[in-house]
Amino acid sequence: EAGVVQSPRYKIIEKKQPVAFWCNPISGHNTLYWYLQNLGQGPELLIRYENEEAVDDSQLPKDRFSAERLKGVDSTLKIQPAELGDSAVYLCASSLAGNEQYFGPGTRLTVT
Amino acid sequence: AQTVTQSQPEMSVQEAETVTLSCTYDTSENNYYLFWYKQPPSRQMILVIRQEAYKQQNATENRFSVNFQKAAKSFSLKISDSQLGDTAMYFCAFMNPPNFGNEKLTFGTGTRLTIIP
Repeated sequence: EAGVVQSPRYKIIEKKQPVAFWCNPISGHNTLYWYLQNLGQGPELLIRYENEEAVDDSQLPKDRFSAERLKGVDSTLKIQPAELGDSAVYLCASSLAGNEQYFGPGTRLTVT
Repeated sequence: AQTVTQSQPEMSVQEAETVTLSCTYDTSENNYYLFWYKQPPSRQMILVIRQEAYKQQNATENRFSVNFQKAAKSFSLKISDSQLGDTAMYFCAFMNPPNFGNEKLTFGTGTRLTIIP
């Protein structure tokens, strides 16, 4: 069974540019999470979806970040415009009904 | 809000030895889940072991075991017969149980473990 798939693995952009990350969860997993991991820190939740509904986006900086999961399967996280402080690893995870979370390999974003 | 504390930023141990990583947490809940995740340089976060707070028996997974002390809010990970492949960042994490309405993982800051050949 395929795990959580994320793309791209690495992204380098200049500040003020837009960027998007894609995640495909494990088949059948209805809950999808986006986490932000700064260097030397543990991941922090940005947004949690149950099917296509965002049930917890309290930590998502909505002035520049947006996310969607239109058909309740794959999801896209967007930043527009990117700032230097957005350089980090963006992790996607999925679970079945809120049980154990399985993580993807992450996208390392560098903003120059 | 729940908090998770890992007080050992780095640890190293000789191959085949046993090492224990510490974790404490703070919560007012009685039922919850605790996890240890491993993150090697590849960045893939891998679940190592899981403990439900209502279970008194400590979880074990092959060479990995936990010492769960609910009253002390302590959740340490013991790795026996350590192997070079165990070199990674280890994160302790807390989660409310499913259907509680807040199934996000709260992570500690991690412990960087190095296994020395």
